[in-house]
Amino acid sequence: AQKITQTQPGMFVQEKEAVTLDCTYDTSDPSYGLFWYKQPSSGEMIFLIYQGSYDQQNATEGRYSLNFQKARKSANLVISASQLGDSAMYFCAMRVWDYGQNFVFGPGTRLSVLP
Amino acid sequence: DAGITQSPRHKVTETGTPVTLRCHQTENHRYMYWYRQDPGHGLRLIHYSYGVKDTDKGEVSDGYSVSRSKTEDFLLTLESATSSQTSVYFCAISESTSGGPQETQYFGPGTRLLVL
Repeated sequence: AQKITQTQPGMFVQEKEAVTLDCTYDTSDPSYGLFWYKQPSSGEMIFLIYQGSYDQQNATEGRYSLNFQKARKSANLVISASQLGDSAMYFCAMRVWDYGQNFVFGPGTRLSVLP
Repeated sequence: DAGITQSPRHKVTETGTPVTLRCHQTENHRYMYWYRQDPGHGLRLIHYSYGVKDTDKGEVSDGYSVSRSKTEDFLLTLESATSSQTSVYFCAISESTSGGPQETQYFGPGTRLLVL
């Protein structure tokens, strides 16, 4: 069975500093994708970044990067130069090769950026 | 903007009444999904569709049914609502056609449902 673990219910970071949000995953399937979503207080789910299991390089999207350590089954999100607008819930998710099913989410981490 | 709308955005209903939530997309994507979001659980898949009249169950499908008679619309029905179905419901779409692991899902704005 697939599972995502996010062990940090809440995190604080000072504005302009970097922060790492942890995500570990469990799957026996060799082909999978890892995703991070942001959910601000307004409630919408915003896609941030994607990493494929066969990708050789860590994914980056602007201030977001994904620290992918396949052997450790971790896919941590790094946000550089935090901004007040980064305060939100962040969800790690995984999808395996199963024709539309098995998009599994973690419980989320609430990030608060302090001025 | 993935062009996904959900209606209604908020609903209050009573236990035992039927409820239908609608998801509408403008992009003609093949895959559509219904999730529920509850504190401490992230999002959990209820049902998904891989084409018109093609649907399958997700992790938490008990008490829910779905229908997809047109590519653009995916309906979620609670036949007889219970208080345990109080939740935020999200619709999502996948852009591609094969449902593979690399395909990103994009979410609608959500529907807040309260069952009294």
